[in-house]
Amino acid sequence: KAGVTQTPRYLIKTRGQQVTLSCSPISGHRSVSWYQQTPGQGLQFLFEYFSETQRNKGNFPGRFSGRQFSNSRSEMNVSTLELGDSALYLCASTYAGTSNNEQFFGPGTRLTVL
Amino acid sequence: AQSVTQPDIHITVSEGASLELRCNYSYGATPYLFWYVQSPGQGLQLLLKYFSGDTLVQGIKGFEAEFKRSQSSFNLRKPSVHWSDAAEYFCAVGAKEYGNKLVFGAGTILRVKS
Repeated sequence: KAGVTQTPRYLIKTRGQQVTLSCSPISGHRSVSWYQQTPGQGLQFLFEYFSETQRNKGNFPGRFSGRQFSNSRSEMNVSTLELGDSALYLCASTYAGTSNNEQFFGPGTRLTVL
Repeated sequence: AQSVTQPDIHITVSEGASLELRCNYSYGATPYLFWYVQSPGQGLQLLLKYFSGDTLVQGIKGFEAEFKRSQSSFNLRKPSVHWSDAAEYFCAVGAKEYGNKLVFGAGTILRVKS
């Protein structure tokens, strides 16, 4: 069974641009969560999508958005990039809707904002 | 609100020595508790989880953890560390009320001396 796939793996953007990251969950998984990992703030929850609906949102500005498609693939978008958005963005997929199920993490997308 | 504290930022142990990584959580109800490991440039891999029942849980790679409600702790242990265990370890807490959202600790970097 293929694992969680994230594309692209590396991305370099400049301030003010926007970026879209993609996450393909494990086949059959309906929930995708996104996390931002930085040296200063650690791992922070961005949002979770379950069956195409955003169920939970972390404390991030509205520049961060996401969506989930009917095949459970998810995208997150960051508009008007700032230097502080440089981070490793991880997505995690799980079969069901509560955290007492194992979440499988992808390798992440490393975003660098110049 | 949920929170997780990992008091040790770095730990160095000799190969073959025992290991204990500390984790304290704050959450009013019954938490779901996890330990993840991250190697450089990689995503997160689940080592073990606690949802309910037996408070001593066994995980992969010879790791175990004990849930102590009275101390709000979920410490990770391994009786004999291998050089390949060098990585960063994250404790995380979830709850039924928060869907698949996980709150992570700041992480503990484990260095293994040969």
